[in-house]
Amino acid sequence: DAGITQSPRHKVTETGTPVTLRCHQTENHRYMYWYRQDPGHGLRLIHYSYGVKDTDKGEVSDGYSVSRSKTEDFLLTLESATSSQTSVYFCAISESMGAGTRGPSTDTQYFGPGTRLTVL
Amino acid sequence: KQEVTQIPAALSVPEGENLVLNCSFTDSAIYNLQWFRQDPGKGLTSLLLIQSSQREQTSGRLNASLDKSSGRSTLYIAASQPGDSATYLCAASLPLYIFGTGTRLKVLA
Repeated sequence: DAGITQSPRHKVTETGTPVTLRCHQTENHRYMYWYRQDPGHGLRLIHYSYGVKDTDKGEVSDGYSVSRSKTEDFLLTLESATSSQTSVYFCAISESMGAGTRGPSTDTQYFGPGTRLTVL
Repeated sequence: KQEVTQIPAALSVPEGENLVLNCSFTDSAIYNLQWFRQDPGKGLTSLLLIQSSQREQTSGRLNASLDKSSGRSTLYIAASQPGDSATYLCAASLPLYIFGTGTRLKVLA
């Protein structure tokens, strides 16, 4: 199994409070991703990183920010949590993105165990 | 905008049956298509990745095929077992992955 941990694994918080979720990898993979998973919507990309200090927005980035100061850590911050951000959050990593026919299957994404966040 | 669809949403079969899970996508310019398994309350486990230049990939009892021109991928599970019960998701890469909502499979003993 790829070495990916997420912390905390469960969190209950109140509307308006800041929340930070952490993803830690031991694989030295360049790319890291944050997804949220909701019933009926599947997994949707929030933000991703393609290197230290290099990040970009995904499909559902409003209300979220990220930071990556070290290769192994990718933080997701909800500046002011809302009930609509109640979800299960997954971190994923990959060696490459879009390598496609130019390389081996290094685009494979490996997922962490998830964080269940409840905003009351 | 790329859309990924998986039909059916749920499937229940008796043990030993061979089965096919379907995944369709609207944009054929994909880099890869990846199949995952998700057990309740757990993260996703990668099963197979098919690169755009490939037609199929096999791992044990699993075989995944890709037809870019028709926007389809199938995951074939041979001789299904109760331990195969899980949700199976496909994701198409553009190069960011777009996920389907999954097929929830139950294999009855």
